[in-house]
Amino acid sequence: EVQLVESGGGLVQPGRSLKLSCAASGFTFSDYNMAWVRQAPKKGLEWVATIIYDGSRTYYRDSVKGRFTISRDNAKSTLYLQMDSLRSEDTATYYCATHYGHLLGPFDYWGQGVMVTVSS
Amino acid sequence: DIQMTQSPSSLSVSLGDNVTFTCEASENIYGFLAWYQQKLGKAPKLLIYGATNLEDGVPTRFSGSGSWTNYSLTISSLEPEDIATYYCQNNHVYPLTFGSGTKLEIK
Repeated sequence: EVQLVESGGGLVQPGRSLKLSCAASGFTFSDYNMAWVRQAPKKGLEWVATIIYDGSRTYYRDSVKGRFTISRDNAKSTLYLQMDSLRSEDTATYYCATHYGHLLGPFDYWGQGVMVTVSS
Repeated sequence: DIQMTQSPSSLSVSLGDNVTFTCEASENIYGFLAWYQQKLGKAPKLLIYGATNLEDGVPTRFSGSGSWTNYSLTISSLEPEDIATYYCQNNHVYPLTFGSGTKLEIK
């Protein structure tokens, strides 16, 4: 059974950093392109970043470019999101997800999500 | 960026109804359109990909159609477990973008 379990969320002050992790199991993690998707409270879904299966390429939405870094450790079957210079508008539930098929593929498996609150 | 416009934003329905949501892309996305269902407090679930392909395990009362910029999701004979918010997504080009969602409510 595919499982994605996020961790590392919490309350953080504006301008500070936080690192999210997503532990994967039940599939060959190193074969899959992975992504982070977020959802602000009572708002819609927003793609954040994607990393290719071997970590050699990454893609970001403009609003997080230069502040967030997506990475992966295939030996540990774990996906990461390093979030620096956090802003109040980054407050959201963050989901990790697998891309189905290619790098632009839809998200077929999702974690349960982890909440990040940016506030003073 | 490709804008995805969903309508309506909410829909009041009765069990057993046939329901159709629409999603319009701001430019041609060549059928690279996915639909997701999200129940309250849960992660989204993929229903349809490639505009018309049903994800494994999704009931056949769900169907998708469309091309170019206009797409729709239909639920035939609404069941209680279908009460949720539905999102469309462009997966043709980065940045990957979602519609704002259509929320189903019971009349």
